[in-house]
Amino acid sequence: TAGITQAPTSQILAAGRSMTLRCTQDMRHNAMYWYRQDLGLGLRLIHYSNTAGTTGKGEVPDGYSVSRANTDDFPLTLASAVPSQTSVYFCASGERGGGHNEQFFGPGTRLTVL
Amino acid sequence: GQNIDQPTEMTATEGAIVQINCTYQTSGFNGLFWYQQHAGEAPTFLSYNVLDGLEEKGRFSSFLSRSKGYSYLLLKELQMKDSASYLCAVRDSNYQLIWGAGTKLIIKP
Repeated sequence: TAGITQAPTSQILAAGRSMTLRCTQDMRHNAMYWYRQDLGLGLRLIHYSNTAGTTGKGEVPDGYSVSRANTDDFPLTLASAVPSQTSVYFCASGERGGGHNEQFFGPGTRLTVL
Repeated sequence: GQNIDQPTEMTATEGAIVQINCTYQTSGFNGLFWYQQHAGEAPTFLSYNVLDGLEEKGRFSSFLSRSKGYSYLLLKELQMKDSASYLCAVRDSNYQLIWGAGTKLIIKP
């Protein structure tokens, strides 16, 4: 089982360009999440989706958009990249709600915006 | 505001015991998670606490006191492979995870 995959592994992007980070899970989880991780800061939630067809804004949504057309895929788009979006991006999935429902993380995408 | 505090870095010796503390102030509480993250890798789940007390899982244990807004992760019989960052996260009233910045644990021989 692949679990959760992300592509690309890393990318260097010129400021002002657009880019889509891909995320696919095969665990049939309802919920999916996009985080960014920066040195000295905790993981910060960008956008989330509780179920296919719905999305919500997290703590740092500006400059990013997402879609959830089906259960498996949750792409993150940067419409016009800026240097402050240089970060490591993690996609995660899990069952929605309480209880012992941990989130499973993809391997991450390291993005550098110049 | 919501806040998760944990030490930035700790050092311990191989074979010893180390305790990593986490204090939190969040809007609601629906469980606390500990994750391990090796450098350059994704976080992986270690433990979950929702009731007060100690949860033990092999060499790792996690403790929770909801009244004090406090948790710790206890690692016994430290091995070199335990060198990693340990992330504390609280699930809030919206069932979203609020993350601490992580504690980098350095194990020395």
